[in-house]
Amino acid sequence: DVKVTQSSRYLVKRTGEKVFLECVQDMDHENMFWYRQDPGLGLRLIYFSYDVKMKEKGDIPEGYSVSREKKERFSLILESASTNQTSMYLCASSGQGRRETQYFGPGTRLLVL
Amino acid sequence: GENVEQHPSTLSVQEGDSAVIKCTYSDSASNYFPWYKQELGKRPQLIIDIRSNVGEKKDQRIAVTLNKTAKHFSLHITETQPEDSAVYFCAASTGGFKTIFGAGTRLFVKA
Repeated sequence: DVKVTQSSRYLVKRTGEKVFLECVQDMDHENMFWYRQDPGLGLRLIYFSYDVKMKEKGDIPEGYSVSREKKERFSLILESASTNQTSMYLCASSGQGRRETQYFGPGTRLLVL
Repeated sequence: GENVEQHPSTLSVQEGDSAVIKCTYSDSASNYFPWYKQELGKRPQLIIDIRSNVGEKKDQRIAVTLNKTAKHFSLHITETQPEDSAVYFCAASTGGFKTIFGAGTRLFVKA
């Protein structure tokens, strides 16, 4: 069974703080993704990575950066958190063989005050 | 840009009835269409998928149909049960790294 874990289920931060969200997968997947989930908007892709140290912008990368130093770990960074970044953040991974099938983590609900 | 429209946003059915969720995609190069189910407080999980060389696929009480010409695909759930209550997301992919998700349908199955 694929296991994707995220460092926190709930997080409360203040405006301007630097926020790190971490994702780890144990299936040796090449591809990892960060989405944010907002009611009525579905899942929107922030960034993805198809290899260590590689990253690509998704549809809404503004205000975010990512880091992939190891194959199993993909971090999402909010350089200076703002209230409009309050959301549910979902990490996902997929393998080279069936890269369209994504396995999701449990999500991190972030509240920025 | 590419998008996937999903309808309805909310669906309420009586236990035992059927439920249908419809999606339309814009990118004609899309060739893979997964459906994810997200129960309350849980992660989205793949429940069924279909590729563009197939018109229909069935797995027990759930089925997906694809109309490539119209760029429509649908999820059908028969004999609904309370445990089918969840948010369902359709998605479309061109086989690359990006998957475009619909906005989601919240399904309520009333006992």
